[in-house]
Amino acid sequence: EAGVAQSPRYKIIEKRQSVAFWCNPISGHATLYWYQQILGQGPKLLIQFQNNGVVDDSQLPKDRFSAERLKGVDSTLKIQPAKLEDSAVYLCASSSRDRNQPQHFGDGTRLSIL
Amino acid sequence: AQSVTQPDIHITVSEGASLELRCNYSYGATPYLFWYVQSPGQGLQLLLKYFSGDTLVQGIKGFEAEFKRSQSSFNLRKPSVHWSDAAEYFCAVGGANNLFFGTGTRLTVIP
Repeated sequence: EAGVAQSPRYKIIEKRQSVAFWCNPISGHATLYWYQQILGQGPKLLIQFQNNGVVDDSQLPKDRFSAERLKGVDSTLKIQPAKLEDSAVYLCASSSRDRNQPQHFGDGTRLSIL
Repeated sequence: AQSVTQPDIHITVSEGASLELRCNYSYGATPYLFWYVQSPGQGLQLLLKYFSGDTLVQGIKGFEAEFKRSQSSFNLRKPSVHWSDAAEYFCAVGGANNLFFGTGTRLTVIP
């Protein structure tokens, strides 16, 4: 089966600019996650979707970050305006409804803020 | 509160030697436990998971992990390390849909 697809792989922007990331989960996976992984740290959950509804966005900096999954399949994560501390790898993961199935991760988007 | 501690930031082993990566967790209920591996520039790949049952779990690439409830630990082991095992290893705990990751252990393998 095809894995979780993310694009772009790399992005370099200046602070205060905006940026968007795209994720296409594994086919049939109802749950989609966005994680932020800062260099030297483990991934931190930003937002979790179940189909097109938000389950958990408690760690999402809502003043600058937004995410949507309008049709319950692919998703976009946006940052506007970007700050230097947003430099990180943004990972997308998906899982099925079966509670005994783990999350599957994409290769991530590496964001550098100048 | 949920948390994961990986006390070793960096471990270096010789190829062919045995490996143990430590993981301690704090979780309010019966945990689901995971080990993921991340190679440079890549996403996370699941090595193994523990949900219930046998506390010794076998994973891919010859890895295994043992869940010890009394010690709140889920250490990862491999009897003989290969050069291709060099990567970052993350322990995670949570419910099936809410994961908390440790800070990772970077494994270097020397010839």
